[in-house]
Amino acid sequence: EVQLVESGGDLVQPGGSLRLSCAASGFTFSTSWMNWVRQAPGRGLEWVANIKQDGSEKYYVDSVRGRFTISRDNAQNSLYLQMNSLRAEDTAVYYCARAGVSGPGINYHWGQGTLVAVSS
Amino acid sequence: EIVMTQSPATLSVSPGERATLSCRASQSVSSNLAWYQQKPGQAPRLLIYGAFTRATGIPARFSGSGSGTEFTLTISSLQSEDFAVYYCQQYTNWSPITFGQGTRLDIK
Repeated sequence: EVQLVESGGDLVQPGGSLRLSCAASGFTFSTSWMNWVRQAPGRGLEWVANIKQDGSEKYYVDSVRGRFTISRDNAQNSLYLQMNSLRAEDTAVYYCARAGVSGPGINYHWGQGTLVAVSS
Repeated sequence: EIVMTQSPATLSVSPGERATLSCRASQSVSSNLAWYQQKPGQAPRLLIYGAFTRATGIPARFSGSGSGTEFTLTISSLQSEDFAVYYCQQYTNWSPITFGQGTRLDIK
């Protein structure tokens, strides 16, 4: 069974930093593109970033580019999102999602999410 | 950026009836279109990809159609567990991948 378990969400002040983790199991992590998707309270889904299997390609939504960094450790079956210079508008539940082998477009499996709250 | 627009925002349907949800792309996404279901307090779940291919374990009452810029998700006979929010998502462009704003399917 595919499992994705996010952690690292917390209450942080504006301008602060946070590192989210996603522990993957039940599939061959190193063969899948991975995505981070977020959902602000009461709002819809917003794609944040994705990363290729070997980390050689990474893409970001404009609103986080330069502030967030996606990375992965295939030996540890883990996905990460380093979030710097956090803003109130980054407040959301952050989901990691397993995508396919050939591209990041289809989110086959999702974790339960971790809540990031940015507030003073 | 490809903008995805879903309609209606809210749809009220009685159990056992058919529900039809629409999704429009601001430019052609070919068949690179997925649908997700999200229930309160839960993560989204993949229903349809490639515009019409059901994901593993998805009941046959869910069907997708369309290509280019116009897409439809049809639920043929609504069950109680189908009342949720539904999102479409394009993946022709990988950056950004974009979602529609969602359609809430309510019990009438």
